[in-house]
Amino acid sequence: QVQLVESGGDLVQPGGSLRLSCAASGLTLSDHYMIWMRQAPGKGLEWVSYIVKSGSNMYYADSVKGRFTISRDIAKNSLILQMNSLRADDTAVYYCARVMTTATLDIWGQGTMVTVSS
Amino acid sequence: QSALTQPPSASGSPGQSVTISCTGTSSDVGTYNYVSWYQQHPGKAPKLMIYEVSKRPSGVPDRFSGSKSGNTASLTVSGLQAEDEANYYCSSYAGNYNVVFGGGTKLTVL
Repeated sequence: QVQLVESGGDLVQPGGSLRLSCAASGLTLSDHYMIWMRQAPGKGLEWVSYIVKSGSNMYYADSVKGRFTISRDIAKNSLILQMNSLRADDTAVYYCARVMTTATLDIWGQGTMVTVSS
Repeated sequence: QSALTQPPSASGSPGQSVTISCTGTSSDVGTYNYVSWYQQHPGKAPKLMIYEVSKRPSGVPDRFSGSKSGNTASLTVSGLQAEDEANYYCSSYAGNYNVVFGGGTKLTVL
């Protein structure tokens, strides 16, 4: 059974850092484009960052560029999102998802909550 | 403000059909046939319902259908059922590795 499980969400102070993980089972992450999405409380969906299959290119939404870094842990078959300089407007549920075809996300994790507050 | 415009709410009675619109521009919906629709129940992760404008993933009932005309895409749910009550989001590829989303439509089954 194909499954993505996120972890690492927490309450963190503004300016702090957090590392999210997305563990995959039933699929090999390096065979797919993968993406981090987020959803602020009561709001819509927003793409945060994605990594291409080869791992050679990563893309970031303007709102997180320079602060967030996406990567993969091949040995653990996990997707990582390192988040630095966190701000209150980064507060959201963060999902990892598989990119099936262009701009099509067919497998989603259950999400992990990140709260940025003092 | 979301890049794609959806009505905030839609409703219909069981058995009826309802259509949700998703309006973009010539830079996204109007140019690319990479429009997707996602269903999200409260507290749950989004679920892919339609991709590439009108394709249904395996397991999605054929009551769900998608279409596009110009800069507007549409999701139609036929034969409404209670479990269809959820939030629905559209998305579109917008070129240059960018994906844009709608603000979501809350579908209520009366």
